[in-house]
Amino acid sequence: ETGVTQTPRHLVMGMTNKKSLKCEQHLGHNAMYWYKQSAKKPLELMFVYNFKEQTENNSVPSRFSPECPNSSHLFLHLHTLQPEDSALYLCASSQSQGSSYNEQFFGPGTRLTVL
Amino acid sequence: AQSVAQPEDQVNVAEGNPLTVKCTYSVSGNPYLFWYVQYPNRGLQFLLKYITGDNLVKGSYGFEAEFNKSQTSFHLKKPSALVSDSALYFCASSLGSARQLTFGSGTQLTVLP
Repeated sequence: ETGVTQTPRHLVMGMTNKKSLKCEQHLGHNAMYWYKQSAKKPLELMFVYNFKEQTENNSVPSRFSPECPNSSHLFLHLHTLQPEDSALYLCASSQSQGSSYNEQFFGPGTRLTVL
Repeated sequence: AQSVAQPEDQVNVAEGNPLTVKCTYSVSGNPYLFWYVQYPNRGLQFLLKYITGDNLVKGSYGFEAEFNKSQTSFHLKKPSALVSDSALYFCASSLGSARQLTFGSGTQLTVLP
């Protein structure tokens, strides 16, 4: 496996279900991100982890719970979601070194549908 | 605060013709600027970035972008479009070493054979 992988690629869940999205990066990066991509809207940054520590939480509802057990893996735990949470969820990673900023590499995304 | 605008939701161009996808930014300070492309059912792929230096940046697949500070623009260009270039294109900015990318709303490029 190379790059950034995400599983599952598609997920359908009811509003009372609990599910998790998984992301894995094989690039040796030290930062990972969750984005939400909805139709007709710009990508929304949800969470940022740097060296496994959460550094950004952009006012995301508590029904989304991230977990970063190590610098290669990132999870997004979902529970009691709403239909408006249906979207493409993208994971990304990057290598940050001091003041140097490098581009983010994205996974293929998980298409989530909440019924 | 920073923002990125892509004024065109849709751009159509004939194969072989030059293409331009527009992007303007509003950032206080010196921005880092990026272009990404998204093919159907795929994640975003990095095309090119401007950090500093030469205003004309060359990237993947024959794309280039010109940083224009006076017009606060970073338009994506390609001299000769291919049908396979049809995709959704996103412009993004960040401030310095900040890890947060601010994305535009995207422009759907369709190259007609």
